[in-house]
Amino acid sequence: EAGVAQSPRYKIIEKRQSVAFWCNPISGHATLYWYQQILGQGPKLLIQFQNNGVVDDSQLPKDRFSAERLKGVDSTLKIQPAKLEDSAVYLCASSLAPRGQETQYFGPGTRLLVL
Amino acid sequence: AQSVTQLDSQVPVFEEAPVELRCNYSSSVSVYLFWYVQYPNQGLQLLLKYLSGSTLVKGINGFEAEFNKSQTSFHLRKPSVHISDTAEYFCAVTQSGGYNKLIFGAGTRLAVHP
Repeated sequence: EAGVAQSPRYKIIEKRQSVAFWCNPISGHATLYWYQQILGQGPKLLIQFQNNGVVDDSQLPKDRFSAERLKGVDSTLKIQPAKLEDSAVYLCASSLAPRGQETQYFGPGTRLLVL
Repeated sequence: AQSVTQLDSQVPVFEEAPVELRCNYSSSVSVYLFWYVQYPNQGLQLLLKYLSGSTLVKGINGFEAEFNKSQTSFHLRKPSVHISDTAEYFCAVTQSGGYNKLIFGAGTRLAVHP
């Protein structure tokens, strides 16, 4: 069974530029998550989708971050414009359902460096 | 709201020695508890989880954890570590009956030395 796929794996941009990340969850997983992991910290949930609807985006900086999950499968996360403090690893995860007991499966992440 | 405290940012240990990584949580409601491992340049992988029932949970790679409700702890243990166990370990909590929003601790870096 294929795992969660993410691209690109690495990205370097200058501040005020825009960037987009792509995620393909495990087949059949209805719930998709985007996390931000700053160096030295644990991952922090940015947004959670159930199919193509948003369940939780309370910690998404909506003035610069946006995410979509068209057709309830793939998802993209965009930052526009980027700031220095956005340097982090962006992790995508998926689970069968949004229930608390469901295991979340993580992709390898996209490492973003903003200069 | 829930929170997680991992009491040690780094734990050095010799190969074949036992190890314990400590995790305490705070929550006003019932929770599920998880331990994830992150190897360099990889995503997180589930080691084990506590949902209900027996408070001693066994996971992959010889790891186990014990849920202690009175002390609000969920410490991870392994009786004999290998070099390959060198990684970052994250404790996480989510509200039972909620929408699976994981709250992570800051992580503990386990360094196994020969």
